[in-house]
Order: sequence, then C-alpha cells, then structure tokens
Amino acid sequence: GESVGLHLPTLSVQEGDNSIINCAYSNSASDYFIWYKQESGKGPQFIIDIRSNMDKRQGQRVTVLLNKTVKHLSLQIAATQPGDSAVYFCAETYTGFQKLVFGTGTRLLVSP
Amino acid sequence: DVKVTQSSRYLVKRTGEKVFLECVQDMDHENMFWYRQDPGLGLRLIYFSYDVKMKEKGDIPEGYSVSREKKERFSLILESASTNQTSMYLCASSFSSGTETGYTFGSGTRLTVV
Repeated sequence: GESVGLHLPTLSVQEGDNSIINCAYSNSASDYFIWYKQESGKGPQFIIDIRSNMDKRQGQRVTVLLNKTVKHLSLQIAATQPGDSAVYFCAETYTGFQKLVFGTGTRLLVSP
Repeated sequence: DVKVTQSSRYLVKRTGEKVFLECVQDMDHENMFWYRQDPGLGLRLIYFSYDVKMKEKGDIPEGYSVSREKKERFSLILESASTNQTSMYLCASSFSSGTETGYTFGSGTRLTVV
C-alpha cells in the first residue's frame, strides 16, 4: 500500500505494551482537538476528541490528555495490538473556525 | 454513522486531462473540505465550502476548482491535470454544534497523473 508519510517519526512497541503518542499544537486559541488513525491506503478515522475545558478524556483503550500550559496533546493506547499499527494524527481548531490544522503524524508499529 | 463517500479509490489520468473527483456525505453536514496528502507534507487544505454554492480557497488552491450545487455533494476539479497533482485526495465533512465538530473523512482517492 502507499505510504502516508515516508518521513514520519516512528514509535515501535510490542503487542500488549501501552503506547503514548505525543503532539505539540500551535495555536493557544485552539479549543477543540481530535486524534485520527490512518491505516495504509485509507482515509483518517476518528479516534477520540477533547475540548479545552477538559484535561483528560477516556475512550475504549484510548485516553487523550491535554496540557494547555505547554500546548501539548497525547494519545495513550492501552494494551496495544497489531491492529493498532497505523499513522496517528492530532488536529486542532477553535470554535467558529471550522478548519482543522493537522500535525504531521506519528507512525505506530506494533510487533506481535 | 456519518458516511463520506468518494467515488473512486484509484484513478490514472493523462497530463492535460480535466479530472473530476466526487464526494458525497449523507448526514446533512454544512461544511465540506478537500485535502491532498503527500509524504512528508501531511494534509493540506485545497478548498472548502460552508454551504451550497459557497466555496473558499484553502492553502493550496492553485490548479484546482470546486463545485457545490447540492448540500451533500462537493466536487474537486483539476482543470488540466499535471504530474505534480499526483497525490492522495481526501474529502471531509463536518457540522458544528456547541460541543462537537463531527469532522469525518472519506476513504480517499489516489490519483496518478502520467
């Protein structure tokens, strides 16, 4: 399949480990953040989102943490599985702006 | 679930051809977007639309145009395809409420211009 990003930072983990993917966002006015997963040859798939009035939000096996002081976002994946292998993007926007600004992405490789 | 459908997964076109990429969403979203995605450059916004017949340029509109005659359909047009327009094209749609943006992507169209 076609590579989403040939020059992406890569995180390699073993199956069953917890994964943490980090993202620095650019706009201190951003108040809405989304994490996407993109598998090879497919479009980005929504994973989890968070508003700026929260520091943490949990989904199924995923947690997003937001640190507005340092403009940092992280995605934690518990008990990582081979099916989690993909490129992960963060995106930011602010109320009324509508356009998303994307990070460059991180490739997650999960070994059995 | 919101569905954003792009009509073609793969396209091969010749230099100079006029190319139409179609995108349809089924959730009555006001906003629709066209991106291209290239290795090392991430997602770049080409055009977007807030409503029927409305369009606004994104970051890289040169060589492209769009059409939104109906709310559910947003077309990207390459007036005269060139090899540097070989890319993955992604359509997205969104609504905006007080708590959610609902930003959803299609599966992408990989266009090769030869």
